[in-house]
Amino acid sequence: EVQLVQSGAQVKKPGESLTISCQVSGYDFLTYWIGWVRQMPGKGLQWMGLIYPGDSNSRSHPSFQGQVTISADKSNKTAYLRWSSLKASDTAIYYCVRRLIRLDGFDIWGQGTMVTVSS
Amino acid sequence: SDELTQPPSVSVSPGQTARITCSGPALATQYVYWYQQKPGRAPLLVIFKDTERPSGIPERVSGSSSGTTVTLTISGVQAEDEADYYCQSSDSRGLSVEFGGGTKLTVL
Repeated sequence: EVQLVQSGAQVKKPGESLTISCQVSGYDFLTYWIGWVRQMPGKGLQWMGLIYPGDSNSRSHPSFQGQVTISADKSNKTAYLRWSSLKASDTAIYYCVRRLIRLDGFDIWGQGTMVTVSS
Repeated sequence: SDELTQPPSVSVSPGQTARITCSGPALATQYVYWYQQKPGRAPLLVIFKDTERPSGIPERVSGSSSGTTVTLTISGVQAEDEADYYCQSSDSRGLSVEFGGGTKLTVL
């Protein structure tokens, strides 16, 4: 069974750093793009970016460039989303997603990681 | 702008047909994908490449495309179809991904 299993909820203060993870199973990690989608409280979905674990090539939405870092570790089949300095506006649910092959849709979603940033 | 526009809400009675539209200039050249999201759950892909259904999605869920507008149609709406629905596509250059604002489907 194809699964994306995300790390647990986090509560952080503004200015702190944070890395959340997404471990995959059930398919070849190296041959699918994997990425992240943000959903702020009560709001819609926002695509953040993608990485291709096979060669670490990446794409990101202009709104998120320079704000977060997307990476992947082949050895443990895990994708990461990292902030170096959180803001209150980063409070959201973050979903990892698997991109369809040669298409820009997302067929598998993780369960979501709730990130709360509050002083 | 490559924004995707959806109506905020659609309401139908059980057994009727719900149609949710999504419009945007990039849709003339890019595929659209539709997701269903129920409260507290991750989104679920229900249509890809404008009209194709993933396995497990019932036949009463369908997609169509005409120019810069695409439509998600749910026939014989059931209470379990009540959810938020999002369209998604690429920008006109195929470099970025955009979601529509979402449509809340209410089953009366």
